[in-house]
Amino acid sequence: NAGVMQNPRHLVRRRGQEARLRCSPMKGHSHVYWYRQLPEEGLKFMVYLQKENIIDESGMPKERFSAEFPKEGPSILRIQQVVRGDSAAYFCASSPSGSSRNEQFFGPGTRLTVL
Amino acid sequence: SQKIEQNSEALNIQEGKTATLTCNYTNYSPAYLQWYRQDPGRGPVFLLLIRENEKEKRKERLKVTFDTTLKQSLFHITASQPADSATYLCALTQGGSEKLVFGKGTKLTVNP
Repeated sequence: NAGVMQNPRHLVRRRGQEARLRCSPMKGHSHVYWYRQLPEEGLKFMVYLQKENIIDESGMPKERFSAEFPKEGPSILRIQQVVRGDSAAYFCASSPSGSSRNEQFFGPGTRLTVL
Repeated sequence: SQKIEQNSEALNIQEGKTATLTCNYTNYSPAYLQWYRQDPGRGPVFLLLIRENEKEKRKERLKVTFDTTLKQSLFHITASQPADSATYLCALTQGGSEKLVFGKGTKLTVNP
């Protein structure tokens, strides 16, 4: 059973470009979470999605950031018009259900560098 | 304001000793508290989960305690090994929410 997959592992963008980060959850998992880890900072929750629904986006910046988890295919975190402050590691996690008693399984992360 | 703090950024111990890491929280009423391990360049890996009505949980050389009165969790690694060197993260969830709130982590180094 493959773990959570994220691609690309490293992404370099120039200011003003768009970044698309992909996450394929573990097989059988329908709940996806995105977290951001800035240098020397802890992991910060961004958004929680189920298939075709955003359940909690309380940690997502209101502008330039969006997320989706379509019926078919991976979850996508999209950052438009990137700025240097968006440089960070972005982690996706999945769980089999949306219960807070479940552990979350994390992917290896996408390291975004904005030049 | 709400805080979750791991009071040591770094901890160095000798191989064979017990490592004890602390996680304190303020203005949360967590239903669950979890501990994860993170190695450089990798995603966190789940270690242990403890419920608010549990005092202690064990798994092999790992032990977690949860004191809702002190608002504190302790994470112990007994008979530590150099391979235990990593950053350890505590995370909590509140009732009704599935998102994890993480501390900044404690970087543990076990010296041979």
